[in-house]
Amino acid sequence: DGGITQSPKYLFRKEGQNVTLSCEQNLNHDAMYWYRQDPGQGLRLIYYSQIVNDFQKGDIAEGYSVSREKKESFPLTVTSAQKNPTAFYLCASSAIAGSTDTQYFGPGTRLTVL
Amino acid sequence: DAKTTQPNSMESNEEEPVHLPCNHSTISGTDYIHWYRQLPSQGPEYVIHGLTSNVNNRMASLAIAEDRKSSTLILHRATLRDAAVYYCILRVGGGTSYGKLTFGQGTILTVHP
Repeated sequence: DGGITQSPKYLFRKEGQNVTLSCEQNLNHDAMYWYRQDPGQGLRLIYYSQIVNDFQKGDIAEGYSVSREKKESFPLTVTSAQKNPTAFYLCASSAIAGSTDTQYFGPGTRLTVL
Repeated sequence: DAKTTQPNSMESNEEEPVHLPCNHSTISGTDYIHWYRQLPSQGPEYVIHGLTSNVNNRMASLAIAEDRKSSTLILHRATLRDAAVYYCILRVGGGTSYGKLTFGQGTILTVHP
């Protein structure tokens, strides 16, 4: 089955620790995205990548970092600089980064920082 | 980015049609209207999109006003599985668009059996 996988589903970390969230897609999509969702809110864009070895900051990139070394993988690191990291993190991909292109979302990772 | 306005919540009975409204009075000529929905604790799912003409697919219909300042997502026969948050999103249609989806708070749809 083609799709997007995110692991783990639930993640707990102590304050001050960096943590990396995994996102893998086998849809052969060029574009990938990371969003953050807080309770009762819509999604906000953290980072996006239109092609391998290239990525751009979204609306709330501070305290986060990404890499895109392979087409199918786009890991997100939540650093200790992120002031309020507890949230639901969603990864998405699309064939291209275009205005009509459908974005496909993964199941999400719920991060709790204690 | 142009903004959208949706009701916070709506209710429907199972097997009845549902009309979810969206206002986007600042829409520009090249902005596409997209709808996504999100079931509890899941990632959003694409529903439908359009530019000027009404659109139909297996999930829903999208009715776009002639002046494009509003649109309506139509679920023809609501089921319990349609209970979700529905997001109406405008996406820039040209230039350096990179596919960004700007989510508002959406409409929480409750479907009663």
